[in-house]
Amino acid sequence: AQTVTQSQPEMSVQEAETVTLSCTYDTSESDYYLFWYKQPPSRQMILVIRQEAYKQQNATENRFSVNFQKAAKSFSLKISDSQLGDAAMYFCAYSPPQGAQKLVFGQGTRLTINP
Amino acid sequence: ETGVTQTPRHLVMGMTNKKSLKCEQHLGHNAMYWYKQSAKKPLELMFVYNFKEQTENNSVPSRFSPECPNSSHLFLHLHTLQPEDSALYLCASSQASRDSPYEQYFGPGTRLTVT
Repeated sequence: AQTVTQSQPEMSVQEAETVTLSCTYDTSESDYYLFWYKQPPSRQMILVIRQEAYKQQNATENRFSVNFQKAAKSFSLKISDSQLGDAAMYFCAYSPPQGAQKLVFGQGTRLTINP
Repeated sequence: ETGVTQTPRHLVMGMTNKKSLKCEQHLGHNAMYWYKQSAKKPLELMFVYNFKEQTENNSVPSRFSPECPNSSHLFLHLHTLQPEDSALYLCASSQASRDSPYEQYFGPGTRLTVT
């Protein structure tokens, strides 16, 4: 069975600085998808960024980028120029490619932004 | 209404009560999901419905009974729950595809407390 591990329960960063959240996963599949979701306090979970395993190039969405290391089964999220609105729980998730998504989530990392 | 809505947002029930959680998606998606989010645990996928058919039941106790009358509505019927069932219950929807998973859109959740 696939598993996702986020080893940092909590992280904090100064506003405008850069922070990296770690995620490792375990799978025997060669084709899959990885996601980072954000859950702000008392607000809905939203997708931050996604990565297809067959793509070598790391995904980027504005200030958010990933470092995808397939051999190491590592998928970290880098947030540049951190803003107060980035404060949230961040969840790493894995999905096989076919059919309805069966997302496997990590335990989450609570990110605090210090003004 | 837009996106994914859930009612009620908060629910307190006794162990002998029967209640239902409701989820509605206004996105034209064909797949819907129930997740359980407990403190300090990863999100747990409970049920998946694809084109109104249940395609996943993740070993959920029978005191949780899902119903999907159409592709826009999803219910979770609750009866004789236990205190450890207290959690945030999240509904999500997506446009499922054989070729690639699509982003899941989450509702705000129902905070359930079992007394």
